[in-house]
Amino acid sequence: EAGVAQSPRYKIIEKRQSVAFWCNPISGHATLYWYQQILGQGPKLLIQFQNNGVVDDSQLPKDRFSAERLKGVDSTLKIQPAKLEDSAVYLCASSLQLNYGYTFGSGTRLTVV
Amino acid sequence: AQRVTQPEKLLSVFKGAPVELKCNYSYSGSPELFWYVQYSRQRLQLLLRHISRESIKGFTADLNKGETSFHLKKPFAQEEDSAMYYCALQPSGNTGKLIFGQGTTLQVKP
Repeated sequence: EAGVAQSPRYKIIEKRQSVAFWCNPISGHATLYWYQQILGQGPKLLIQFQNNGVVDDSQLPKDRFSAERLKGVDSTLKIQPAKLEDSAVYLCASSLQLNYGYTFGSGTRLTVV
Repeated sequence: AQRVTQPEKLLSVFKGAPVELKCNYSYSGSPELFWYVQYSRQRLQLLLRHISRESIKGFTADLNKGETSFHLKKPFAQEEDSAMYYCALQPSGNTGKLIFGQGTTLQVKP
C-alpha cells in the first residue's frame, strides 16, 4: 500500500512569515495526526482528526497554528506567523482505527531563521 | 501527569551482546504501550505493541505494571539494530493519541 505522503520535505522561512504543510494519509485511514518533533525530543501531538472532525487539539498553539482536513482525506497544517521555536520536524501519521499503530510520513523539516 | 521516560539518550553495545532499552511511564490507568523505531534516513515505524505480545526482529517487551516499565530487550544485538528507539504510551479511552519518550539511540558496534 502507498504510505503517508507529506510535502514539502524541507522548508526554511524567516520568523513572522507563514508556512503550510500538506499530508495525504493512507487510503481508508480515518484517523490522521499531526505531531511536532523538536530536535532531541520525542514527537508531541498537535492535532488529531477522525475523518474531518477534530478529536484532540489541546496542544495546538491556536494563536498561530491551524489545521484542517479536507473532505476527511488530505490535511494541511499552517503556521502564521512563525517563531524561532517552531523549528522542528512536523510529522503526519494515519491509522486505520484508534488503537492501532500508526503509519508515519517522512516529515517536513522546518527551519525558522 | 502522563509521561514516558527513557533515561538513556545513547546506548552503545557490541554485536552479539544483550540489549535492554529502558522505558518507564507515569499513568494512572491501563495504557497501551508501544515501541517505535527510526532507522537512519527512514520513517518512524512501529516495532511492537505490548497487547500483541509479538517478537519482532528478535525484540520483546514486557509490561510491568508494578514498576510502570516497558523495557525493550534483545538477547543478541546486530549491527542493523542501530537506530533511534521511542517508547510511547496510548492513554485508555480509545483516543488514539500517543505520548512519546525522548528516545534512545542504540549503537551496535562490530
